[in-house]
Amino acid sequence: DAKTTQPTSMDCAEGRAANLPCNHSTISGNEYVYWYRQIHSQGPQYIIHGLKNNETNEMASLIITEDRKSSTLILPHATLRDTAVYYCIVINDYKLSFGAGTTVTVRA
Amino acid sequence: EAQVTQNPRYLITVTGKKLTVTCSQNMNHEYMSWYRQDPGLGLRQIYYSMNVEVTDKGDVPEGYKVSRKEKRNFPLILESPSPNQTSLYFCASSPGGPADTQYFGPGTRLTVL
Repeated sequence: DAKTTQPTSMDCAEGRAANLPCNHSTISGNEYVYWYRQIHSQGPQYIIHGLKNNETNEMASLIITEDRKSSTLILPHATLRDTAVYYCIVINDYKLSFGAGTTVTVRA
Repeated sequence: EAQVTQNPRYLITVTGKKLTVTCSQNMNHEYMSWYRQDPGLGLRQIYYSMNVEVTDKGDVPEGYKVSRKEKRNFPLILESPSPNQTSLYFCASSPGGPADTQYFGPGTRLTVL
């Protein structure tokens, strides 16, 4: 699997958009980018995924660069309940590796 | 309700005493996997299973065993637990594989003294 690089932590103001970057410069053509989040010590929760086109769902938007070497998860209007660890993952074969993720703290 | 359940949720044990953490899903999922989570290291995959009787090692399989005799169950076995296996453990399942949405259990916090 391609490795991903994310910032260790970031803060965001409540009600503002949170933009979470992820680098995956060694991604292959058929590898998807997935985002999960983990609130406190609960099981991780799926957010969104994409291959090459931008994607949007009720939780977030995913912007993937044209060369697919990086992506950005956008939480359009962050709330205090969005405080969590966010994981960017690239998946191709049967294994799944989460890495350390980005700790996002939303402040009132 | 569609869910992944794990038991026990909390366990304190002593070195060398065999234990099993159960994982069960009611969604008829093919793929199941186990992870451990330690501070600063994210989630690391221990074992995964693509289907009944098909299991394979993840990134950190040493000291663990698994079995998949039925589709719904995927127990994690520690034959001789050691203190470095103190961790938070998660089981997950998905319809077809790792590229499908993973559904995680609530976690099992294990302490080995």
